[in-house]
Amino acid sequence: DAGVTQSPTHLIKTRGQQVTLRCSPKSGHDTVSWYQQALGQGPQFIFQYYEEEERQRGNFPDRFSGHQFPNYSSELNVNALLLGDSALYLCASSLTGYEQFFGPGTRLTVL
Amino acid sequence: GENVEQHPSTLSVQEGDSAVIKCTYSDSASNYFPWYKQELGKRPQLIIDIRSNVGEKKDQRIAVTLNKTAKHFSLHITETQPEDSAVYFCAATLGLGYSTLTFGKGTMLLVSP
Repeated sequence: DAGVTQSPTHLIKTRGQQVTLRCSPKSGHDTVSWYQQALGQGPQFIFQYYEEEERQRGNFPDRFSGHQFPNYSSELNVNALLLGDSALYLCASSLTGYEQFFGPGTRLTVL
Repeated sequence: GENVEQHPSTLSVQEGDSAVIKCTYSDSASNYFPWYKQELGKRPQLIIDIRSNVGEKKDQRIAVTLNKTAKHFSLHITETQPEDSAVYFCAATLGLGYSTLTFGKGTMLLVSP
């Protein structure tokens, strides 16, 4: 049974570009949450998807958007990249409950 | 919204000693409190959690205690080993099926042989 997977592992972009990150949840999980983890900080909640809809959103601008597909996989899109968007982006899946399991993350560097 | 404070930010102990990490939260409606361990360059891994209807939970060398009145919870690691060295994060959530987590800033635990 595969756990949570994310792609790509690393990504380098320049300011103003757009990026798409992907996440496949743990088998049987239906809820996907995205977090941003800056260096030396705890993960910060971006948004959560359930039944293909954004169910909750953290304090992130509209440049951050997402999508969930019928197979529960999810994408995170960031437009107009800023230097401050450089971080580890973590996806976590759960089954409409409490325990969340994290993927390995995508390391985004914005130059 | 929820706010989680965690301390200390770094903790150095000798192998075999105990380590305690403390967190406080602001929203009295929070009812689920997980702890994650994150090794360098790796994903956060859930090591133990506690729900608000329980005051203490233990799993081998690790335990978590919860004081809902004071709105604080703690992680206790006994007989520490070098492989316990990592960053530990506490988190809190309103639960209710939404399971969005608010994290503390983390504690870097260093266990010296």
